[in-house]
Amino acid sequence: EAGVAQSPRYKIIEKRQSVAFWCNPISGHATLYWYQQILGQGPKLLIQFQNNGVVDDSQLPKDRFSAERLKGVDSTLKIQPAKLEDSAVYLCASSPRGSADTGELFFGEGSRLTVL
Amino acid sequence: KNQVEQSPQSLIILEGKNCTLQCNYTVSPFSNLRWYKQDTGRGPVSLTIMTFSENTKSNGRYTATLDADTKQSSLHITASQLSDSASYICVVSRTSGTYKYIFGTGTRLKVLA
Repeated sequence: EAGVAQSPRYKIIEKRQSVAFWCNPISGHATLYWYQQILGQGPKLLIQFQNNGVVDDSQLPKDRFSAERLKGVDSTLKIQPAKLEDSAVYLCASSPRGSADTGELFFGEGSRLTVL
Repeated sequence: KNQVEQSPQSLIILEGKNCTLQCNYTVSPFSNLRWYKQDTGRGPVSLTIMTFSENTKSNGRYTATLDADTKQSSLHITASQLSDSASYICVVSRTSGTYKYIFGTGTRLKVLA
């Protein structure tokens, strides 16, 4: 079974530039999450989708971050314009369960963003 | 406030030695507790899951314990190997409310030859 795929693995940009991350969850997984993990900290939830609908985006800085899940499968996370404090690893995770359940999260390898 | 605290923050041990990582939580309503292993530059991978009624669960050289009364969990690693070098993250899930998954900040383990 293929795992959660993310790209790019690494990205270096200057502040005020834009960047987009892509995630392909495990086939059939209904729920998809984007997390931000700053060095030395645990992951912080940015947004949660169930199928193609947003379940929770309360911690997403909507003035600069946006995310969508096309046709309930792939998802993209965009940052525009980037700030220095956005330097982090962006983890995508999926779960076969619905958003009300607490099944195992399957994580991708992450996309490491460095903002100069 | 729903929180998960892990200790120690970092740990260095010699190969072959045992170690125990701690996780204390104030999360409710409790659903389950998972330990994840995160290798450097990789995504977290689940090691064990503990439900309310389980006290101990093993996965090879990893043994997790849960005391639901004191809201504490531990992860014991036996006969450590170099490949155990990683961050170990405790994640407590809630049965209801927002933020179903509450993450700890992790314990960074380094195993030396």
